[in-house]
Amino acid sequence: DTAVSQTPKYLVTQMGNDKSIKCEQNLGHDTMYWYKQDSKKFLKIMFSYNNKELIINETVPNRFSPKSPDKAHLNLHINSLELGDSAVYFCASSHGDGAQAQHFGDGTRLSIL
Amino acid sequence: AQSVSQHNHHVILSEAASLELGCNYSYGGTVNLFWYVQYPGQHLQLLLKYFSGDPLVKGIKGFEAEFIKSKFSFNLRKPSVQWSDTAEYFCAVEGGGYQKVTFGTGTKLQVIP
Repeated sequence: DTAVSQTPKYLVTQMGNDKSIKCEQNLGHDTMYWYKQDSKKFLKIMFSYNNKELIINETVPNRFSPKSPDKAHLNLHINSLELGDSAVYFCASSHGDGAQAQHFGDGTRLSIL
Repeated sequence: AQSVSQHNHHVILSEAASLELGCNYSYGGTVNLFWYVQYPGQHLQLLLKYFSGDPLVKGIKGFEAEFIKSKFSFNLRKPSVQWSDTAEYFCAVEGGGYQKVTFGTGTKLQVIP
């Protein structure tokens, strides 16, 4: 069973479109994250939710909106996609009591044409 | 704010050579430290972590890391690398906020058979 699953794995779309990436974890974790990994492999946190509440919101354009319907899901919606949004987006989850490793999904490679 | 520096961006070694990857962090309080590995085309996986106790921690696949508090360092080591260790290695620090983990820029390790 996949612990942290993201869909889709690949997403190719045009500038200006709106798209969503879904993430689900079956580990019973209460904290979930979205990261963006650019072409230079730099990994930067975007958002973190704990029990459906937003706890980390880094400097990210407001075109990016996370939604957590329950603590096992954290979806990422992106409006008006731009060329600079091309990257690999990783979802992760962990227990929310500190010192716990994060479990990552396989990533979603977003390519903007 | 916490930050993480990985000074080696690209390391090339022959099989059986010894490995040491540097990681330094800046944060004045208590930290939890991690090393993650990302094999080509895959998601990040935890290699090892430190949060208290023995500063020398052992992880999977023969890796170990030593936390030296006075030097703010958490270097990763392996006595004898294999071709299958070819991957990107990320040091990460958790501190200064609720589950906020900051990743280093990564070190690409290439092992030549």
